[in-house]
Amino acid sequence: EVQLVESGGGLAQPGGSLRLSCAASEINFRNAWMSWVRQVPGKGLEWVGRIKSKTDGGTTDYAASVKGRFTISRDDSKNMLFLQMMSLKTEDTGLYYCVAYVSYWGQGTLVTVSS
Amino acid sequence: DIQMTQSPSSLSASVGDRVTITCRASQSIRTYLNWYQQKPGKAPRLLIYAASSLQSGVPSRFSGSGSGTDFTLTISSLQPEDFATYYCHQSYSPLYTFGQGTKLEIK
Repeated sequence: EVQLVESGGGLAQPGGSLRLSCAASEINFRNAWMSWVRQVPGKGLEWVGRIKSKTDGGTTDYAASVKGRFTISRDDSKNMLFLQMMSLKTEDTGLYYCVAYVSYWGQGTLVTVSS
Repeated sequence: DIQMTQSPSSLSASVGDRVTITCRASQSIRTYLNWYQQKPGKAPRLLIYAASSLQSGVPSRFSGSGSGTDFTLTISSLQPEDFATYYCHQSYSPLYTFGQGTKLEIK
């Protein structure tokens, strides 16, 4: 069974940074296009960004709301996905999900940005 | 960015009803359209991918149709476990986007 386990969430101050991780198992991670999606509790889903597989170029795309502040990377040797978040804003608060292809979702890690 | 507009935003229905949710894209997305179901406290679950393909393990009462800009998700006979929020999602453009969601409630 595919498993995606996010970690690294927590409390950060506005202007601060956090690094989220996602550990994948039972999946062909090397070939997977991986995304981060976030959700303010009680609200809708917001796509954050995506990284393609290295065989498809390994390029990244980001939502306008996070472009220039967030960076997605991957370590295929360890089946790991990362989200480096800088210059955090209060509106970045939410539950962050790791998504493989468009099919498989983790359970999310909560990020709270507050002073 | 491609905007995805779902309707209705909320819907009340009864067990056994046939329900249709629509999703409109601001430009053609061919059939790069996925549908998710989300229950409170849970991660979204993929129901339909590529507009009309049923994800493995999803009951056949769920179906999807459409192409271009207009799409529908149909539940042929509502079951108690289907009361949830449903999202459409486009994966056509480099910048993916979701619809705002449709909350399906028990009448």
